[in-house]
Amino acid sequence: GAVVSQHPSWVICKSGTSVKIECRSLDFQATTMFWYRQFPKQSLMLMATSNEGSKATYEQGVEKDKFLINHASLTLSTLTVTSAHPEDSSFYICSARDTLGTSGRADTGELFFGEGSRLTVL
Amino acid sequence: GQNIDQPTEMTATEGAIVQINCTYQTSGFNGLFWYQQHAGEAPTFLSYNVLDGLEEKGRFSSFLSRSKGYSYLLLKELQMKDSASYLCAAMDSNYQLIWGAGTKLIIKP
Repeated sequence: GAVVSQHPSWVICKSGTSVKIECRSLDFQATTMFWYRQFPKQSLMLMATSNEGSKATYEQGVEKDKFLINHASLTLSTLTVTSAHPEDSSFYICSARDTLGTSGRADTGELFFGEGSRLTVL
Repeated sequence: GQNIDQPTEMTATEGAIVQINCTYQTSGFNGLFWYQQHAGEAPTFLSYNVLDGLEEKGRFSSFLSRSKGYSYLLLKELQMKDSASYLCAAMDSNYQLIWGAGTKLIIKP
């Protein structure tokens, strides 16, 4: 299947600092990428939908000024957690669909997930 | 509102068969997905159903009944490595995925 790469896998930072997480589609172009947060023993929670060349769409309750999303190209979306605090510690996962079929496969609606980034804020 | 229901936890024995049920209510429907997620890892795709019936893929099969808003994931010949959470997700008319909370499957020897 199509490949999505996420970096970094693990990050530990001090409270008040900012952390950037990258999500790349390696073998297809993605006009839309999704950012999720997952707390221990809970399901995925959609934070925002990242749209290439336009503003991200945030879910209710997600602060857009705190979680900055940039989707500058068809293969890269970034999530920046600004002024991180311990309560932001979580597993952040991105995903994308190959809606353009650029991987050579028809779009079945399947989401391709990055490996996830575990953020720990001290 | 939109809602996905699946059991929180299930236990099964190695070599046995287990069925994980999922019911959904969405605004429109564009398919039902099952994902497997091991602790600390991202979800991996298992199956996609958009038409009624059973889709078989090796040891795993997925069933869908659109009229009943119901799906199940069937796992045969259970192996210890199948211990994971299984996430049910339905795609609504806007092609957004509505996620269930996941079913934690515990496999015992």
